[in-house]
This record gives sequence, structure tokens and C-alpha cells, in this order.
Amino acid sequence: QKEVEQDPGPLSVPEGAIVSLNCTYSNSAFQYFMWYRQYSRKGPELLMYTYSSGNKEDGRFTAQVDKSSKYISLFIRDSQPSDSATYLCAFLMFSGGYNKLIFGAGTRLAVHP
Amino acid sequence: GAVVSQHPSWVICKSGTSVKIECRSLDFQATTMFWYRQFPKQSLMLMATSNEGSKATYEQGVEKDKFLINHASLTLSTLTVTSAHPEDSSFYICSARGRGGETQYFGPGTRLLVL
Repeated sequence: QKEVEQDPGPLSVPEGAIVSLNCTYSNSAFQYFMWYRQYSRKGPELLMYTYSSGNKEDGRFTAQVDKSSKYISLFIRDSQPSDSATYLCAFLMFSGGYNKLIFGAGTRLAVHP
Repeated sequence: GAVVSQHPSWVICKSGTSVKIECRSLDFQATTMFWYRQFPKQSLMLMATSNEGSKATYEQGVEKDKFLINHASLTLSTLTVTSAHPEDSSFYICSARGRGGETQYFGPGTRLLVL
């Protein structure tokens, strides 16, 4: 079993739709849960992070964590064409005295006008 | 957020040559820097972690003699791909983290093409 499972998509939605992106994980040592956005040929950009179960909202984005099910989600409301990118879930763990970030494979999202 | 730069943004080289990629934290001191490799349509794979003034810690399967990492200052880390081969062609991304922080800030990446 992989440490992190993320559906690679692609996911195509019309402008204005609500998008749901999900990841499951197996490592209970993960302590921080993050979502990155990566545009084509660019480095990842941190969108949101949290460390506890529940919801965290930032504008049109809501990050949801369910530690008991080892499941995290990112919801995008009122999606825009500019949201078209690859979304990577990431998990931070402390190992051997340093932090290690484990990425999902990324979900490619296309929002069409 | 914090700014991390990489140079060059892309490079083409002949097989057998060495290529150096620079990663700089522009507005904070990066006590730890990370180097990732990303193949097309795949996720980021951590290659190595380096703390300022210390030797880098390499992930399993990454050749330390081929991918030389130097983190000589709190704002600069370099990755040198020695004797590059076509299979080393990839997107190399660095990230940096400041003292006591959990957040890694990523550079824009360097695209390497080895002919």
C-alpha cells in the first residue's frame, strides 16, 4: 500500500462548479496536512495547511481532514479557469530529527469557461 | 509568502557534462533546503535534505556522488548533476524552510534536458 493515494485525474469542470479533491494516507505519523497548487512548468505553491481534524477555510478554498479515516480533502467553490492546475496533497512528518514532506501524485484540474 | 529562486530556469547540456543549479532564499534564512525531482505527470520525489553547514542526507536510491549538494550559507544551496545522462533529464525543484518553521517554500524549478 502506498503511503499516499491521490487520483491523478484529469478532472474537468465548468466554471463556477464546486471541486472536490481528495487524498488518503496510511502513515499515522503524519502531523501536518497540506495542499499545494502547481501550474505547468512551475514550482508548487502552498495553498493551505492544517494539523488537526476538521475544516479550515480560506476564501474559496476549504481544507478538510479526517484523521480517523486518514482522509483529506480540498474543496474549491466557484471554480475559475485560473484554478486550472495540478493540486498536490502533502503530508509532513518528523523523522530522524528533521521534517519530511511526502507528496501525493497530484490531481490535474481543468476549469473551462 | 517567502520567496525562493532558482537559477537557471532551464538548461540543455550534452551527455557527460556537469550542471550546477542554484537555489536561493531571498527574504529569509533557510536552515534546511530540500531538492526534489519531478518527471512529467508525476509527483515530486525528494532527493535529499540539507542543513546549512552539514552534509546532505540522501533518500534511498539517490546517488550522492552523482548529485552533489552544497548548502554553504543560510541563503544558498547548490545541486550539481555530475556526468549527466539523458535519463537525468527532469524538472528539479528546490524548497527551503526557515528555523523553527514547518512550511517549505518552493522555487520555480529548473528544467534539465540532457542530449
